[in-house]
Amino acid sequence: DSGVTQTPKHLITATGQRVTLRCSPRSGDLSVYWYQQSLDQGLQFLIQYYNGEERAKGNILERFSAQQFPDLHSELNLSSLELGDSALYFCASSVAGGGSSYEQYFGPGTRLTVT
Amino acid sequence: AQSVAQPEDQVNVAEGNPLTVKCTYSVSGNPYLFWYVQYPNRGLQFLLKYITGDNLVKGSYGFEAEFNKSQTSFHLKKPSALVSDSALYFCAVRDGMNRDDKIIFGKGTRLHILP
Repeated sequence: DSGVTQTPKHLITATGQRVTLRCSPRSGDLSVYWYQQSLDQGLQFLIQYYNGEERAKGNILERFSAQQFPDLHSELNLSSLELGDSALYFCASSVAGGGSSYEQYFGPGTRLTVT
Repeated sequence: AQSVAQPEDQVNVAEGNPLTVKCTYSVSGNPYLFWYVQYPNRGLQFLLKYITGDNLVKGSYGFEAEFNKSQTSFHLKKPSALVSDSALYFCAVRDGMNRDDKIIFGKGTRLHILP
C-alpha cells in the first residue's frame, strides 16, 4: 500500500458527461501528479500541483482540469467525455516539488469507461 | 527535451536465470532515473532510482540498475528471476536542469518469467 488513495475505483459514464476523480496524497507529501494510462498511449503525464499551485503541465486536454485543495487532496475533472478518454487515471504524490529528486508514489488508479 | 526509450515490448526469461530490462534516455542536464513496476490491476510501485554517485543502484525485491553515462542507459537487472517478477516495468527520467518535477515514462516492458 503506497498510502495514496483514489476514488472511485471504477467509473462508467456516457459520452458528453462530466466526472470528477479524487486523490489523497501520502501523509506529508505536498506534490500531486495526475497520469493517464491507455493501451495505445502508455503512461502520459497530465499535470502536477505543489502545495495548492499548478507546477507543471503535460499533455492535458482543455476539457480536463485539476485542482489541489488546502488539505492537499486533489481532484481531476474530465468534461465533455469522449470514447477515447476511457483509460486508467493514476494519481501520484511526492514529498517535494521544484526540481527534487524524490520518487513518486502511485495510487491504485481509477478505471474510467466512457460508453 | 527529455525522453526515455524501452526498446523491448516484452522480455521472456526462464526462472532462475538473470534478467535485464533495457532503458535509454535523453536529457539536457543531469538525469534523474527511476524504475517502477506495475502488477495487474495495480498502481506503479517504485523500485529504485539513480540521482548521483555509484553507478550501480540497488532497489526493492533484489533488483538493481546500472547507470551508464556514455551509453545513456539505465538497464534494470536481477541475478536470478522469480515467476513473481512477471509484471510491467517502466523506466522514467527527469531532467535535473528542469525546475519542475515532470517525469517522462517509457512505454513499458512486459517481463514474463517462465517456470
